Amino acid sequence: EIVLTQSPATLSLSPGERATLSCRASQSVSSYLAWYQQKPGQAPRLLIYDASNRATGIPARFSGSGSGTDFTLTISSLEPEDFAVYYCQQRSNWPEVTFGPGTKVDIK
Amino acid sequence: EVQLVESGGVVVQPGGSLRLSCAASGFTFDDYAMHWVRQAPGKGLEWVSLISWDGGSTYYADSVKGRFTISRDNSKNSLYLQMNSLRAEDTALYYCAKDMGAYGDYTFDYWGQGTLVTVSS
Repeated sequence: EIVLTQSPATLSLSPGERATLSCRASQSVSSYLAWYQQKPGQAPRLLIYDASNRATGIPARFSGSGSGTDFTLTISSLEPEDFAVYYCQQRSNWPEVTFGPGTKVDIK
Repeated sequence: EVQLVESGGVVVQPGGSLRLSCAASGFTFDDYAMHWVRQAPGKGLEWVSLISWDGGSTYYADSVKGRFTISRDNSKNSLYLQMNSLRAEDTALYYCAKDMGAYGDYTFDYWGQGTLVTVSS
């Protein structure tokens, strides 16, 4: 099983600040990594797929980068609606796809 | 607009059975693979099962293999999950999720709101 580790567990920032979230895989997943956003009481929403491709309707302030074992989700300037939990997910060794434990971005 | 609406979640005793349903609309259902993903209360996400566009291929997480069965009815735009021999650790919110491809891309581009399954005596 490929284990995904996300850091930090919690990121406390103010609106307008830049958020940098990390996801590290226990072995290479090439570029087969996605990022999801989940707000309380809501379903996850796809933000980024294949490491750097924004999903339909996702604002340009969200960007993804990385390959192999190290990946980053960057939110260039936090909007109030961006405070949420963010999960990374690998699909490299399907069907044993796995998710990271999540990073919570909360208001400082 | 893509919509996925799950139903069927209830409180069930350990060892019991349950069938979840997911009604899909807003896209050509039989063009895409579909998944079930679950989330235990206060926990992270766990992929459960995949079915290809035509039902010809199915895959399961080891944690549910042999107990859960995924199926679909393309004439009804519906996805199902038959859950048998339920355990306390199956307690979770079960999401229906659309795949980006027909056979299983394993990227989930749309999700339903989930249906809660509680396994408890």
